[in-house]
Amino acid sequence: DGGITQSPKYLFRKEGQNVTLSCEQNLNHDAMYWYRQDPGQGLRLIYYSQIVNDFQKGDIAEGYSVSREKKESFPLTVTSAQKNPTAFYLCASSTRVSTEAFFGQGTRLTVV
Amino acid sequence: EDKVVQSPLSLVVHEGDTVTLNCSYEVTNFRSLLWYKQEKKAPTFLFMLTSSGIEKKSGRLSSILDKKELFSILNITATQTGDSAIYLCAVRNSGGSNYKLTFGKGTLLTVNP
Repeated sequence: DGGITQSPKYLFRKEGQNVTLSCEQNLNHDAMYWYRQDPGQGLRLIYYSQIVNDFQKGDIAEGYSVSREKKESFPLTVTSAQKNPTAFYLCASSTRVSTEAFFGQGTRLTVV
Repeated sequence: EDKVVQSPLSLVVHEGDTVTLNCSYEVTNFRSLLWYKQEKKAPTFLFMLTSSGIEKKSGRLSSILDKKELFSILNITATQTGDSAIYLCAVRNSGGSNYKLTFGKGTLLTVNP
């Protein structure tokens, strides 16, 4: 079945450690996105990518990094520079034309 | 910077009520506006609006866009407890970063029996 898969669903890390969240899609979508969701904050854009080997910063990119080496994959690394990393992270993808974005089930990251 | 503002931020109604959720936006080179429903984890797509004045409808939900006044509304009639969710509005631009999708903070709707 076509879709977008995020893993893991839950992730716990100690403060100061980098952590990488996985996002894979088999929808043949060109564009992929990472959002962060905190209570009462809606979805805030971290990074997005329109094409392989290219990505742009969103509104809250500080403390995060991404790569887009394959069309299907857009992993997000939460670095130790991110001041408040505990949050719910959503990955999405869409086609080149203006259609809806499809979301993964999210990863809840807790840093202790 | 693109901006999407939703109101109200939260709303509590009784089953059977009709609700109207608002979304206003400021975006460079507007391309489309999208509505999503988020119940637990992944937001699910409701509507995409690109033209002013054309209502999109699906069952008890409907939405319309006003490109002159830069806003959209989402109406839900005869609400049910299953409509309880966060409703998210997003806008897509069509400039150089034409895949950028900016979301508002969402409206938390609670429908009580």
